[in-house]
Amino acid sequence: DARVTQTPRHKVTEMGQEVTMRCQPILGHNTVFWYRQTMMQGLELLAYFRNRAPLDDSGMPKDRFSAEMPDATLATLKIQPSEPRDSAVYFCASGFRDRAGYTFGSGTRLTVV
Amino acid sequence: RKEVEQDPGPFNVPEGATVAFNCTYSNSASQSFFWYRQDCRKEPKLLMSVYSSGNEDGRFTAQLNRASQYISLLIRDSKLSDSATYLCVVRRDFGNEKLTFGTGTRLTIIP
Repeated sequence: DARVTQTPRHKVTEMGQEVTMRCQPILGHNTVFWYRQTMMQGLELLAYFRNRAPLDDSGMPKDRFSAEMPDATLATLKIQPSEPRDSAVYFCASGFRDRAGYTFGSGTRLTVV
Repeated sequence: RKEVEQDPGPFNVPEGATVAFNCTYSNSASQSFFWYRQDCRKEPKLLMSVYSSGNEDGRFTAQLNRASQYISLLIRDSKLSDSATYLCVVRRDFGNEKLTFGTGTRLTIIP
């Protein structure tokens, strides 16, 4: 089965450090999402791309978060500087436009201390 | 008010029973509807799409009521492996593919 691959699976970092999370979408998928999941807020959209172009990043704190797709096989989510409140599981998902459902990666579990 | 609301549960149900989850959404522009399943410490996985006429997939039945902005999921003959969190999801379409998730309903099937 095709998979969305996320790295790293776990990350523990100190407050103020830069964190970069990576996602390899399923080959051929033209839509990529970044979601964050916490116990309090559930799953929240941070950003999404279609054909590598950013379409909606309204859910992302712009002062510290940035999302890019340098090529069709790689999406990145960067936090600089990280804060304890950024501790969460970050999921990447990919799919085709107008198709039902999207495939999620296994997530990056981030802990900022 | 959250855009998608679900009863968080937990629902503790004996094996073999029928269980129903409900979900309401606030944005009438929502066009597509889904149920996702999430196991503990795992990623969400698509369980089924929800169609206007209602649809069934084995032991699972989904219903949509656009007038009341209400979605339901029925699980018949529940199995231990059905224990998970069930997420109600809506999408507006018309160029906006953002999936909006409910906070999920936790289900535990008891042997």
